[in-house]
Amino acid sequence: DTEVTQTPKHLVMGMTNKKSLKCEQHMGHRAMYWYKQKAKKPPELMFVYSYEKLSINESVPSRFSPECPNSSLLNLHLHALQPEDSALYLCASSQETGSVEAQHFGDGTRLSIL
Amino acid sequence: GIQVEQSPPDLILQEGANSTLRCNFSDSVNNLQWFHQNPWGQLINLFYIPSGTKQNGRLSATTVATERYSLLYISSSQTTDSGVYFCAVSSGGSNYKLTFGKGTLLTVNP
Repeated sequence: DTEVTQTPKHLVMGMTNKKSLKCEQHMGHRAMYWYKQKAKKPPELMFVYSYEKLSINESVPSRFSPECPNSSLLNLHLHALQPEDSALYLCASSQETGSVEAQHFGDGTRLSIL
Repeated sequence: GIQVEQSPPDLILQEGANSTLRCNFSDSVNNLQWFHQNPWGQLINLFYIPSGTKQNGRLSATTVATERYSLLYISSSQTTDSGVYFCAVSSGGSNYKLTFGKGTLLTVNP
């Protein structure tokens, strides 16, 4: 689904670095999501934003900090990550959380922690 | 929470063959999506199909919500069909939490 754009596509960082993942959609969707996918596993939900407010945090460690500056943008700020945080991070969007509509996924950011 | 089981876990086909992938779920759903994740990690929407039948080219899907299963049909398979096929569902009052099955790894050989 190229309607959801994620940058960067690949990111390598050390455990002491601070970096951010970016997600953008221009479909007018008001719900945005972060998922984490480990190798050979299905995606797992991390965060849900509805109308730019955090509505769901699936018990994600505080070293992951989401931010939704406006209805089109979703960031995931990373700090003091661990090697086990290496994974594919997927962003998705949908019309609203309260309606039953398809979620559309970006191509993901492949993150490696050294 | 809702359980999603996909079968078979692995499938190897020769190019040109047909296949059927199955997704069983443990509760009523208000959203069911089929995805294809290619070897580069891109998760591609195939179908949004909480009920009924849809077709898109060589692919079609059927969901029988009352019996809690969905089927994905791939006809005349091509090597580019290789990858992992995920079924994902949500239940309850909203669609915010998609629960994914473990996927079917499809390999299409030339």
